[in-house]
Amino acid sequence: AQSVTQLGSHVSVSEGALVLLRCNYSSSVPPYLFWYVQYPNQGLQLLLKYTSAATLVKGINGFEAEFKKSETSFHLTKPSAHMSDAAEYFCAVSDISGNEKLTFGTGTRLTIIP
Amino acid sequence: DTGVSQDPRHKITKRGQNVTFRCDPISEHNRLYWYRQTLGQGPEFLTYFQNEAQLEKSRLLSDRFSAERPKGSFSTLEIQRTEQGDSAMYLCASSFGQARSPLHFGNGTRLTVT
Repeated sequence: AQSVTQLGSHVSVSEGALVLLRCNYSSSVPPYLFWYVQYPNQGLQLLLKYTSAATLVKGINGFEAEFKKSETSFHLTKPSAHMSDAAEYFCAVSDISGNEKLTFGTGTRLTIIP
Repeated sequence: DTGVSQDPRHKITKRGQNVTFRCDPISEHNRLYWYRQTLGQGPEFLTYFQNEAQLEKSRLLSDRFSAERPKGSFSTLEIQRTEQGDSAMYLCASSFGQARSPLHFGNGTRLTVT
């Protein structure tokens, strides 16, 4: 069974600073990995996904993530934080066995300090 | 593309009552998913439909829970004899095409059982 672990339930960064949100996965088969963002009282919106093509994946709103098999990681980064980035971020994993469901991490709440 | 629509947005009910939620997916999407999200947690998979067929159910889906998608379009999730532990956000998502296509989430139905 696959799973993801998000290190740090809360992360605070200053506006303009680097954003780094950590995600480590566990999967017995090659995974598909996703990052979703959730704004208050809303559903989840896809930021980016890794599906075994390029290991560096670019997403919306200036976010990107790098798949590192040796570290079983898929950390999310953004070079310069913006106030509008304040939200909850979820890492999720699916696998290639035909299982359709996503398994989500517990989330990281990102706060931007003006 | 009007997005995934869920109704109602909020539901307050007394313990022991039955509740039903509705989800209207994006019109051409053949896959529909239900997830449950409790405070401070990531979404947990409940069940999944491909067209009208319910293909997978989580062990979280006790016999008090039932989901339908009668014509392969909208779906309903019913909870019978609600318990306080059922209080959560119930999220619907849909997708189209090949497996592991991105999920499009609705804004959820927040259930409070008093």
